[in-house]
Amino acid sequence: KAGVTQTPRYLIKTRGQQVTLSCSPISGHRSVSWYQQTPGQGLQFLFEYFSETQRNKGNFPGRFSGRQFSNSRSEMNVSTLELGDSALYLCASSSTGLGNQPQHFGDGTRLSIL
Amino acid sequence: GENVEQHPSTLSVQEGDSAVIKCTYSDSASNYFPWYKQELGKRPQLIIDIRSNVGEKKDQRIAVTLNKTAKHFSLHITETQPEDSAVYFCADNAGNMLTFGGGTRLMVKP
Repeated sequence: KAGVTQTPRYLIKTRGQQVTLSCSPISGHRSVSWYQQTPGQGLQFLFEYFSETQRNKGNFPGRFSGRQFSNSRSEMNVSTLELGDSALYLCASSSTGLGNQPQHFGDGTRLSIL
Repeated sequence: GENVEQHPSTLSVQEGDSAVIKCTYSDSASNYFPWYKQELGKRPQLIIDIRSNVGEKKDQRIAVTLNKTAKHFSLHITETQPEDSAVYFCADNAGNMLTFGGGTRLMVKP
């Protein structure tokens, strides 16, 4: 079974631009969660989608948004990029998104803002 | 919001020794506690998890213990090997989302 796939792996943008990241979950998994990883803040939860609905949202500004498609693939969008948005963005999938189910991570998208 | 504290932030052991990483959490509703290993430049990899109805779980050289009363859980690695060197993260599922500890950098010296 293929794992969680994230594209692109690397991205360089400038301040003020916007970016869209993609995540394909493990086949059969319906929940996709997004996390931001930085050296200073560690791993922080952004949001979680299940059956095309956002069920949970972390403490991030409205510039961070996402969506999920009927095939469970998810996209994350960041608008008006800031230098502080430079980070590794990870997505994780689980079968049902119930809190006690394992989440499996993709390799991440490393976003650099110049 | 939920807070997960993880200690120590760095841990250096000699090959063959044991390593213990400890985490505390604040939300008594948490009922799932996974541990992830992240090697440099790689994805976090789930290595073991425990649910709140169990006090201890073992998988070969790794084990996790949970004390719900005290709200803490620990990762134990025995007979450490150089390939165990990585950053380890604990987490809990308060609010149906994972909250992570700050990570422990484990270095196993040959």
